[in-house]
Amino acid sequence: DAGVIQSPRHEVTEMGQEVTLRCKPISGHNSLFWYRQTMMRGLELLIYFNNNVPIDDSGMPEDRFSAKMPNASFSTLKIQPSEPRDSAVYFCASAGRGGSNEKLFFGSGTQLSVL
Amino acid sequence: QQQVKQSPQSLIVQKGGISIINCAYENTAFDYFPWYQQFPGKGPALLIAIRPDVSEKKEGRFTISFNKSAKQFSLHIMDSQPGDSATYFCAARTGNQFYFGTGTSLTVIP
Repeated sequence: DAGVIQSPRHEVTEMGQEVTLRCKPISGHNSLFWYRQTMMRGLELLIYFNNNVPIDDSGMPEDRFSAKMPNASFSTLKIQPSEPRDSAVYFCASAGRGGSNEKLFFGSGTQLSVL
Repeated sequence: QQQVKQSPQSLIVQKGGISIINCAYENTAFDYFPWYQQFPGKGPALLIAIRPDVSEKKEGRFTISFNKSAKQFSLHIMDSQPGDSATYFCAARTGNQFYFGTGTSLTVIP
């Protein structure tokens, strides 16, 4: 199993530009999570999908952030327009093979820098 | 609002010593408490976990102590090794959602 795959690994962009982060969860997992990691706040839950449906997006900072999961094997997190304070590491995680939802499998993350 | 409070932010331990990281929570709906280990440039990975119906869980050199009445739990790393140097996150689950602490950067000095 290839694990959770995220792309790109690094993204450098200028303020005001649109940023799209991508995630491929582990096959068979039915839950997908987007987290943001910063030194000050640690790992923050942004949004959680179950069976491709957004269940809780209360962690999304503001309307500039949006997430989609068009099918069980792909999700995107979009920031438009991006701002310097969005600079962080964004992680995607999946869980739920065989109904078990106790272990999160994280991708390697996307390091986002907004200049 | 931080659902799970973690301390200390950083920790330096001599090789062979005991590393202790503490976490506290308020939400009594939490029913599962995992610890994740993260190495630089990698995503967090599950290290050990406990349910609130037991007070202790041990796996090798890693032990979770859980105090349900105090709503606190801690990770103990016995005989700490330089290879244990990483960031450690406690977490708590309610429903299908996981909430993480702010992390502890552990450095084990040879």
